[in-house]
Amino acid sequence: GENVEQHPSTLSVQEGDSAVIKCTYSDSASNYFPWYKQELGKGPQLIIDIRSNVGEKKDQRIAVTLNKTAKHFSLHITETQPEDSAVYFCAASKVATGTASKLTFGTGTRLQVTL
Amino acid sequence: NAGVTQTPKFQVLKTGQSMTLQCAQDMNHNSMYWYRQDPGMGLRLIYYSASEGTTDKGEVPNGYNVSRLNKREFSLRLESAAPSQTSVYFCASRPSGGSEQFFGPGTRLTVL
Repeated sequence: GENVEQHPSTLSVQEGDSAVIKCTYSDSASNYFPWYKQELGKGPQLIIDIRSNVGEKKDQRIAVTLNKTAKHFSLHITETQPEDSAVYFCAASKVATGTASKLTFGTGTRLQVTL
Repeated sequence: NAGVTQTPKFQVLKTGQSMTLQCAQDMNHNSMYWYRQDPGMGLRLIYYSASEGTTDKGEVPNGYNVSRLNKREFSLRLESAAPSQTSVYFCASRPSGGSEQFFGPGTRLTVL
């Protein structure tokens, strides 16, 4: 089955700096790579995703890059703000019509943005 | 539109007791999922249901059973709780043709 590794497990940055979280996956058939943000006491919420036919996607201060050859993808947050402090999870999935499209999650990165 | 709801929010059980975690979604989604979240291990899939009337095992199904009662509801049952099942449990749903999974707020379960 799929295996997703995520680094680092904790990350502390100063407000305004950039943060980068990296993930690798093992199954070359995976074609969907979402990133979820989990705030304290809440369920994970999708913040950005990328499909295997795209190398990069950006949404305001958040961007994701995908290297299919190396089987790794990264989350980039620029101009970090205190409200970016949370746990971030990467995931990988084989999305196909008519299937349940199970997600395999990384182990999470706790991001702390300090003033 | 409440999204995905889970009950209860917190539960304490003694070893050997049974209980059912409830999950419901009002978004007319086809697929539903149960995950457990443990420190340092991310979210691991317990069971899932691709559509009403079907259920399948995920990565860590031992000690659990599920029921897809109808399109809205997907319950998780612990028949004989063990301390190793102490965890936070999340339910999620996904629309047909979509990729995003929508998560509920979670149930924090402690087994003594």
